Amino acid sequence: NAGVMQNPRHLVRRRGQEARLRCSPMKGHSHVYWYRQLPEEGLKFMVYLQKENIIDESGMPKERFSAEFPKEGPSILRIQQVVRGDSAAYFCASSPPRGKYEQYFGPGTRLTVT
Amino acid sequence: GQQVMQIPQYQHVQEGEDFTTYCNSSTTLSNIQWYKQRPGGHPVFLIQLVKSGEVKKQKRLTFQFGEAKKNSSLHITATQTTDVGTYFCAPYMDSNYQLIWGAGTKLIIKP
Repeated sequence: NAGVMQNPRHLVRRRGQEARLRCSPMKGHSHVYWYRQLPEEGLKFMVYLQKENIIDESGMPKERFSAEFPKEGPSILRIQQVVRGDSAAYFCASSPPRGKYEQYFGPGTRLTVT
Repeated sequence: GQQVMQIPQYQHVQEGEDFTTYCNSSTTLSNIQWYKQRPGGHPVFLIQLVKSGEVKKQKRLTFQFGEAKKNSSLHITATQTTDVGTYFCAPYMDSNYQLIWGAGTKLIIKP
């Protein structure tokens, strides 16, 4: 059973470009969470999605950031017009439906904005 | 919103010494999870505690959930270099089906 997959692992973008981060949850998992982590800091919740639904996006900036989890295909975190402050590690985690289950994390995407 | 305080932020130990990190909440928790993140890696689930006063062990790691379900601790006996990393506590919130993450305690082994 493959774990949570994220790609790309490393992404370099110039200021003003768009960044698209992909996350494929574990098989059978329908809940996806996106987190952001700056060096030497903790995890900051961004958004919680289920298939075709955004459940909670309270941690996501209202401008330039969007997320989706379509019926088919991976979850996408999209950052438009990136700025240097967007440089961070972005982790995706998935969990099974229903119940208080643990989250399984992907390896993360390290975004660098130059 | 709900927050959890995790202390200390860093702990430097000699290899072979013990390590403890504490997680405190102002409200009663339904359950709490613990994760470990190695340097350059991603968080990995360690354990979940649910019952008041629960104690669980994994080899040299001992996890406790307080009687009032407002605090938790992770104790590592005789640390090894493989224990290096940041340990996060993460209570589960029934209200929004999410984990609330502590700031983490970084375990550093002195050379």
